[in-house]
Amino acid sequence: GENVEQHPSTLSVQEGDSAVIKCTYSDSASNYFPWYKQELGKRPQLIIDIRSNVGEKKDQRIAVTLNKTAKHFSLHITETQPEDSAVYFCAASKSYKLVFGAGTILRVKS
Amino acid sequence: DVKVTQSSRYLVKRTGEKVFLECVQDMDHENMFWYRQDPGLGLRLIYFSYDVKMKEKGDIPEGYSVSREKKERFSLILESASTNQTSMYLCASRTGSSSGNTIYFGEGSWLTVV
Repeated sequence: GENVEQHPSTLSVQEGDSAVIKCTYSDSASNYFPWYKQELGKRPQLIIDIRSNVGEKKDQRIAVTLNKTAKHFSLHITETQPEDSAVYFCAASKSYKLVFGAGTILRVKS
Repeated sequence: DVKVTQSSRYLVKRTGEKVFLECVQDMDHENMFWYRQDPGLGLRLIYFSYDVKMKEKGDIPEGYSVSREKKERFSLILESASTNQTSMYLCASRTGSSSGNTIYFGEGSWLTVV
């Protein structure tokens, strides 16, 4: 079955810097790759997603890139702010089943 | 706005007790899920239901069962709770069966088994 690996497990950046989180997946048939943000004590919420027919997608300060050949995708956050501090999860899916990475704790220091 | 509600946010149960975790969604979603969240392990799928009375095992179904008698409600049952089931449980729902449809999560239920 699908396996998703996520790195790094923790990431500290200075406010205003960029943050990059990387994920690799194992099943080449996976075609949907969402990213979820989970603030402390709250539910995971979708922040951006990308489908396999697209290489890059951007939404304001957040962007996701997908390399199907290498089977990896990345989340890029520019101009980080303290409110970006949270746990971020990547996931991969080809059917009903969404397989998640282990998560990255992002700390933005002001 | 999609609402997925987990009725119990914090529970403490004894080893061997039967535990029910309830989840209700108000968007007429066909698909519902139960995940377990543990530090360093991410979210792992316990069970999935694609329609009323239909269910499929996820990656870690052992020790759990589910019930979906009505479309809006999906229950997770721990037949005999054990300490290794202490965790955060997340319910989620999604419309249709396309892999590209957004999954919406509930707030989570923190279960401690003593």
